[in-house]
Amino acid sequence: EVQLVESGGGLVQPGRSLRLSCTASGFTFGDYAISWVRLAPGKGLEWVGVIRSRAFGGTSEYAASVKGRLSISRDDSKSIAYLQMNSLETEDTAIYYCTRRSGELRSHWYLDLWGRGTLVTVSS
Amino acid sequence: EIVMTQSPATLSVSPGERATLSCRASQSVGSNLAWYQQKPGQPPRLLIYGASTRATGIPARFSGSGSGTEFTVTISSLQSEDFAVYYCQQYDSRPPYTFGQGTKLEIK
Repeated sequence: EVQLVESGGGLVQPGRSLRLSCTASGFTFGDYAISWVRLAPGKGLEWVGVIRSRAFGGTSEYAASVKGRLSISRDDSKSIAYLQMNSLETEDTAIYYCTRRSGELRSHWYLDLWGRGTLVTVSS
Repeated sequence: EIVMTQSPATLSVSPGERATLSCRASQSVGSNLAWYQQKPGQPPRLLIYGASTRATGIPARFSGSGSGTEFTVTISSLQSEDFAVYYCQQYDSRPPYTFGQGTKLEIK
């Protein structure tokens, strides 16, 4: 089955760190860019960042609201992407979704596969 | 940053009727626009990409149109399972690939 499964969420104090994992199965993980999207309570979807496939440099980009605090990495040998979250703020409380970008050409940058999400709560 | 504005925020429609949701971009995104549906407790699901192409498995009652800065998704005859929140997202040019704030489609 083609799927993405997030893990690693939980309750964390402000200023602390957390690492989320996204485990892929059913497709060739290394061929795809992976994005993270979050849904905060009472708000809409927010694009967090993306890491490109190795063939397209494996580089990453981030939303301004998280740049410098959150970073995405990937281990293609394990079919896992990570979201490292540092200096967490209460505003980072959200469900974090791992998503697959359909392709590397611009016309394919929509998100065609979503995980079920993992909840991160930042509170003292 | 491209700002995506959806309207209305909430739309109340009776089953069997037609619903039209709108999305406006603050600058042209060409046809690089997707629509997603999200039901409570579930992840979003891709409905439309390229502004007008239905994703795999999406019923024909869903249709998307528009280009540049103005986009719509129309549901021709609402079924009970269509009541959800709908988001548009642009994926043109540079990040961030911003979402609209969502339209909640509710039963009238």
